[in-house]
Amino acid sequence: NAGVTQTPKFQVLKTGQSMTLQCAQDMNHNSMYWYRQDPGMGLRLIYYSASEGTTDKGEVPNGYNVSRLNKREFSLRLESAAPSQTSVYFCASIPGQRDAMATGELFFGEGSRLTVL
Amino acid sequence: AQSVAQPEDQVNVAEGNPLTVKCTYSVSGNPYLFWYVQYPNRGLQFLLKYITGDNLVKGSYGFEAEFNKSQTSFHLKKPSALVSDSALYFCAVRRENTGFQKLVFGTGTRLLVSP
Repeated sequence: NAGVTQTPKFQVLKTGQSMTLQCAQDMNHNSMYWYRQDPGMGLRLIYYSASEGTTDKGEVPNGYNVSRLNKREFSLRLESAAPSQTSVYFCASIPGQRDAMATGELFFGEGSRLTVL
Repeated sequence: AQSVAQPEDQVNVAEGNPLTVKCTYSVSGNPYLFWYVQYPNRGLQFLLKYITGDNLVKGSYGFEAEFNKSQTSFHLKKPSALVSDSALYFCAVRRENTGFQKLVFGTGTRLLVSP
């Protein structure tokens, strides 16, 4: 079982360039999340999708857009990258909001390290 | 709003000694509390959770955590540390009956276990 797969693992962009981070899960989970991890800041939620067809803003959505392409895939797009978006990005999923009350376990991908010059 | 504090950036312990990684939280209402571990260049992995019930929670890899409501703490413990336990540990909290979009992570504590 692959779990949560993120691509690419590493990317270097110039300021103003655009790119999309891809995330796919093979666990038939309903809810998916995008986080960014910065030193001394912990993980902060960018956007989430509670179920297929819905997306909502998290704590730090500015400069990002998302697409829940289908139940498996949830992509994160940077339209015009800025140095402040240099970070490690993590995608995560859970079976569903109701299941999450019981299990409490987020399943994470291995991360995408993005550097914006 | 909920928050989590991990007061130590780094904890150093010798292999075989007990370890404690501290976490305190602030939440209105009852908390759901979690510990996750992150090994180098990997995503976070779930270790254990407190939802309700016994204050001492046991999790993966021999770790346990004690929920203390009066001190609003949820410290992670292990009786005998291993070098392989060296990693970054995150505490997280959300209020009961809220979704994961409300989950708040601490800033992380790096655990270094020396041989």
